[in-house]
Amino acid sequence: LAKTTQPISMDSYEGQEVNITCSHNNIATNDYITWYQQFPSQGPRFIIQGYKTKVTNEVASLFIPADRKSSTLSLPRVSLSDTAVYYCLVGDYSGAGSYQLTFGKGTKLSVIP
Amino acid sequence: DVKVTQSSRYLVKRTGEKVFLECVQDMDHENMFWYRQDPGLGLRLIYFSYDVKMKEKGDIPEGYSVSREKKERFSLILESASTNQTSMYLCASSLAGRSNQPQHFGDGTRLSIL
Repeated sequence: LAKTTQPISMDSYEGQEVNITCSHNNIATNDYITWYQQFPSQGPRFIIQGYKTKVTNEVASLFIPADRKSSTLSLPRVSLSDTAVYYCLVGDYSGAGSYQLTFGKGTKLSVIP
Repeated sequence: DVKVTQSSRYLVKRTGEKVFLECVQDMDHENMFWYRQDPGLGLRLIYFSYDVKMKEKGDIPEGYSVSREKKERFSLILESASTNQTSMYLCASSLAGRSNQPQHFGDGTRLSIL
């Protein structure tokens, strides 16, 4: 079961790029890497997902090195509304009870004006 | 839009009570999940269901059971509530298949056991 490690917290000024790294040293061959964002009093919300190399969408980029033992969520030009907790999820499931999913403990990002 | 609805945002119960937390999704998803979220511990999986009447234990199933009689509804049951089950409970659902199907979460039930 892949264990994930993330920084507990990060601070950033508005307009800066923020990079949050998740370590998952024993990631398995079939595991995907997924990132979620959570605001207070809400459930987590999907941001981005990848398997290898780089993925980019309208919200963020995800960088995954060749060995896949870590991944980095990159948020370009953060604003105050990006203040949230960011979770890394690593694992795989294929139904019929076959699952191996582990959430990280989350990184609390505080964006400062 | 995808919607996962949890029946209560806040719930207060007493030690020893049997507690039911309900979750409904309107997306025809095969998979449903129950997590608890505690400060400093992140999200921990309690139970997982991949089909009606099918369930699998997660990382912390002790003291809990689940029921999935219909595809859209997944219930978490605290058989005899204890104070250490005071927590935020989150329900999620996803399409079947591998983990590249993202999970959609409800907004949680904050449960206090007195």
